[in-house]
Amino acid sequence: ETGVTQSPTHLIKTRGQQVTLRCSSQSGHNTVSWYQQALGQGPQFIFQYYREEENGRGNFPPRFSGLQFPNYSSELNVNALELDDSALYLCASSPRGYSQETQYFGPGTRLLVL
Amino acid sequence: QKEVEQNSGPLSVPEGAIASLNCTYSDRGSQSFFWYRQYSGKSPELIMFIYSNGDKEDGRFTAQLNKASQYVSLLIRDSQPSDSATYLCAADSNYQLIWGAGTKLIIKP
Repeated sequence: ETGVTQSPTHLIKTRGQQVTLRCSSQSGHNTVSWYQQALGQGPQFIFQYYREEENGRGNFPPRFSGLQFPNYSSELNVNALELDDSALYLCASSPRGYSQETQYFGPGTRLLVL
Repeated sequence: QKEVEQNSGPLSVPEGAIASLNCTYSDRGSQSFFWYRQYSGKSPELIMFIYSNGDKEDGRFTAQLNKASQYVSLLIRDSQPSDSATYLCAADSNYQLIWGAGTKLIIKP
């Protein structure tokens, strides 16, 4: 167990809906990164939050947005869901920005868009 | 488009043998390289990271980096059935990780 938790574990939505995924970082970690992992693919970096500010973003459209709270937990919001958004969404926390060697993943949220 | 390439496998290795996993990357500016293990339905787990050319050993695992050839490898000695998983290679690029699609490794008892 890494100490990083995510909710919900599974979710089914229909195209056009909106979804919010949540992540609680490991104690002492102020950085949260979000990834999308489609079936059979490696994770793709969505964005990172460091001390409540967005600290880098991958090649994802603006309908993917996020938030980090003062306790360093984080949310990923996806608007206008598309079928291709079906994936495992992973969050990872680390003690400081860009420290991939000390990045710990949560168990993920599996999203299915119908 | 910066990429990390891996053979998807599956790579089948007898128990006790050496498993060799390979990865190439396109961004010559990448400085840090990571190997993750991912069991089916689970999240990735960091096995090793390497920054310098050459070999880095940790228990049964050895990571190898050749920046001139833009090539990273992972050797697993004395392979065990519990090593059966998908192995993901990742390289840092502009402060984010670029991931390969993973190689599925099967250790046959």
